[in-house]
Amino acid sequence: QKEVEQDPGPLSVPEGAIVSLNCTYSNSAFQYFMWYRQYSRKGPELLMYTYSSGNKEDGRFTAQVDKSSKYISLFIRDSQPSDSATYLCAMSLYGNNRLAFGKGNQVVVIP
Amino acid sequence: EPEVTQTPSHQVTQMGQEVILRCVPISNHLYFYWYRQILGQKVEFLVSFYNNEISEKSEIFDDQFSVERPDGSNFTLKIRSTKLEDSAMYFCASSSLGNEQFFGPGTRLTVL
Repeated sequence: QKEVEQDPGPLSVPEGAIVSLNCTYSNSAFQYFMWYRQYSRKGPELLMYTYSSGNKEDGRFTAQVDKSSKYISLFIRDSQPSDSATYLCAMSLYGNNRLAFGKGNQVVVIP
Repeated sequence: EPEVTQTPSHQVTQMGQEVILRCVPISNHLYFYWYRQILGQKVEFLVSFYNNEISEKSEIFDDQFSVERPDGSNFTLKIRSTKLEDSAMYFCASSSLGNEQFFGPGTRLTVL
């Protein structure tokens, strides 16, 4: 079983729609969960960072962590063409520890 | 806003040659990392570095790889004898005690 699984998509949505992305993981010891956005041939850009289970909201972005199901989600409300990118989930066991990444989910927001 | 920088943006080398990839982490960060991403694949952890020593390394980080913090600002990754399969994007990242890792723009390494 892969450590972090993420359906690579691609996912196309009309402008203004809600984008829903998710990852599952196998190691129940993961405690820190992140979402990164990556534009083509650029470095990952940190979007959301959460510790343990629960929800976190930042503007149009909401991250959810369900540790009992080993499942994390990212929601993007009122999606914009500028949100078109690859979204990577990542997680770590403890602080300042190596990140384990999902494969990334390509999102295209159509104007 | 402070950011991680990397040079060069693109490096082309012949198989068997040594390459050094350079990074300038965010100035008050204490933890430094190298990751790589082969085209179409996941971002993979290579090594983490704290207090002037390697704190963790992956199975990819074999004897051909080394890291160094030669001064107070630079963090380098050396590949001693490059192979074709080393062709990838190499990302440097840094973090403070807060754990969030911030990535640089990457160096694209092409081994011919």
